[in-house]
Amino acid sequence: GNSVTQMEGPVTLSEEAFLTINCTYTATGYPSLFWYVQYPGEGLQLLLKATKADDKGSNKGFEATYRKETTSFHLEKGSVQVSDSAVYFCALSSSGGYQKVTFGIGTKLQVIP
Amino acid sequence: DAGITQSPRYKITETGRQVTLMCHQTWSHSYMFWYRQDLGHGLRLIYYSAAADITDKGEVPDGYVVSRSKTENFPLTLESATRSQTSVYFCASSEFSRGATDTQYFGPGTRLTVL
Repeated sequence: GNSVTQMEGPVTLSEEAFLTINCTYTATGYPSLFWYVQYPGEGLQLLLKATKADDKGSNKGFEATYRKETTSFHLEKGSVQVSDSAVYFCALSSSGGYQKVTFGIGTKLQVIP
Repeated sequence: DAGITQSPRYKITETGRQVTLMCHQTWSHSYMFWYRQDLGHGLRLIYYSAAADITDKGEVPDGYVVSRSKTENFPLTLESATRSQTSVYFCASSEFSRGATDTQYFGPGTRLTVL
């Protein structure tokens, strides 16, 4: 079956540091890939997505590239802010008519001033 | 306000009691989902619905019941609550698509404690 692997964290960075959160996946076919973010006390919201190999998703300074050859979708940001402190979930959506999404366990990011 | 809402936001109940968590969305999205979020497990799908009167099991359906008589509502019932059902529950919705690219929109969650 489908699966998503990411580190649980927490990841602690100083403000303006470079961020990488690794995500690798196992899936059949050609899944779509997502990063969701969950701020404290809130539900998840979409951060970015990519629907085919070599696509780059980007939003709010975050980027991730769909790498089919390495089955990866690593999240990066060049300069994190305190307001980026949240839990980040990598996810994939299987192809076909069923909207099932498989989530990773989430990586907690703490940015300190 | 438009969007997806859940009620109650917090609930404390006792073992053996029936509990219903409500979910309402204003977008007329076809798909709706219930997840539970637990430390070390991320989000796990409990049930989903492709349309009114169409529901199906997810990864962890035991002990839960759902219904969907109207497109906008998708209540989740714990028939006889157990301590292992203490969790944060999220409802989500998405539009219908033949592909698998649609974003899921999440509610704010319900924190349920079973004593």
